[in-house]
This record gives sequence, structure tokens and C-alpha cells, in this order.
Amino acid sequence: ETGVTQSPTHLIKTRGQQVTLRCSSQSGHNTVSWYQQALGQGPQFIFQYYREEENGRGNFPPRFSGLQFPNYSSELNVNALELDDSALYLCASSLGPGTSGPNEQFFGPGTRLTVL
Amino acid sequence: SQKIEQNSEALNIQEGKTATLTCNYTNYSPAYLQWYRQDPGRGPVFLLLIRENEKEKRKERLKVTFDTTLKQSLFHITASQPADSATYLCALDGSGGYNKLIFGAGTRLAVHP
Repeated sequence: ETGVTQSPTHLIKTRGQQVTLRCSSQSGHNTVSWYQQALGQGPQFIFQYYREEENGRGNFPPRFSGLQFPNYSSELNVNALELDDSALYLCASSLGPGTSGPNEQFFGPGTRLTVL
Repeated sequence: SQKIEQNSEALNIQEGKTATLTCNYTNYSPAYLQWYRQDPGRGPVFLLLIRENEKEKRKERLKVTFDTTLKQSLFHITASQPADSATYLCALDGSGGYNKLIFGAGTRLAVHP
């Protein structure tokens, strides 16, 4: 098991509601990335936070937002939930890149969101 | 648009044989390529990273090749075991090492005793 934790593990919401997912990064890691994984698909990059600032965003609408706290934990917020938002939401933590390239990235177990 | 393709939905092999998984990509020039393992209901686990200027990387029974001309990576598991059964994901990183990854859909590997 990695040191990355996510809460809650499962969540059921209805269309139009809002949801907040939480991620505690591995100790010492300053970078958190969020991914959405639909059933049978690979993870899709939502956005990344590096030292509390958003550092890049994938092809997701503005109703997907997030933040990173001084302890580098992070939240993902989704407003106006749609049925297609049903997926496994993964967070991953790492250090920012070193002189020799990327550092190993550790994924949490994910939050399974179901939108009815 | 950028596209990553991983070969077949499932690969079935006999224990002890070598499993070879393919990752092809288009409209992209990644500086790094990573391979992950994912078990059902769990997050991906990092296995190997290979840089664009490296042809091959090994780690225990795992070997990855990276051909930037063919735009292809091959992932090999030698002397496969039933415990190797999982989904294997290929991911490209063109973000200068910030791990903003583009994943393929994965290949499910089943190793039979």
C-alpha cells in the first residue's frame, strides 16, 4: 500500500448535486494530480496541483475544481453532477521533477462515485 | 488528436511464458513513458519509466523498450506467474517530468497455471 489515502471510498449522489473528494498525499510530496477513470478505460488527467497552485488541466469543464492545502493534501470538487461523472476518481502524489526527470508517482486507492 | 492504443482487451498466456504487451501512440512526442499495473478496485502501481533517449529498461523480470521512430513501447514479463495477472497501463508524459500523464486503456493479462 502507498501512503496516499483518499476519502470517501464510495459515494452515491444524484444529478445536479455537488461532491467533494479528498486526498492525503504521501509524506514529503508536493505534487498532487487527479484522474478520472471510467469503467474499462485508463485514467484521464483532470488537473494537477504543485505547491498549492494549479499546474495544468486536462479536458474537463470548469465545474471540476480543486485546491491544495499547505500540508499538500488536496480536494477535488465537482458541481452540477452529471450521470457521466460516475467513475473512479484517483489522486496521485509525487515530488516535482528532479534534474533527471520525473519522480515516481504514487496513486491512492480511489473514490468510486456513482451519480444516479 | 493524441491517441494511445494498447493491444487487445485481454492477453491469456501460460505460466512460465513471456508476456509481451504493446503500446502505440500518435500525434505525440513524449519525453517519458511509464508502465503501471492495476489490480481490480485499486489504484495503479508504478512499474517502470523509460526516457525518450533510452532504448530499453529492465527491472527484475520486467523489460520495457521505447522506439520513438515507430512511436511504440513494448512491455515484457518473463517467466510469468499467475500473480502477474492484472491490467497493465501505458502512460505518456510530455509535461517535462511533472507526471501529467496520458494513459492508454490498458491490457488485461491473465496468466494460467
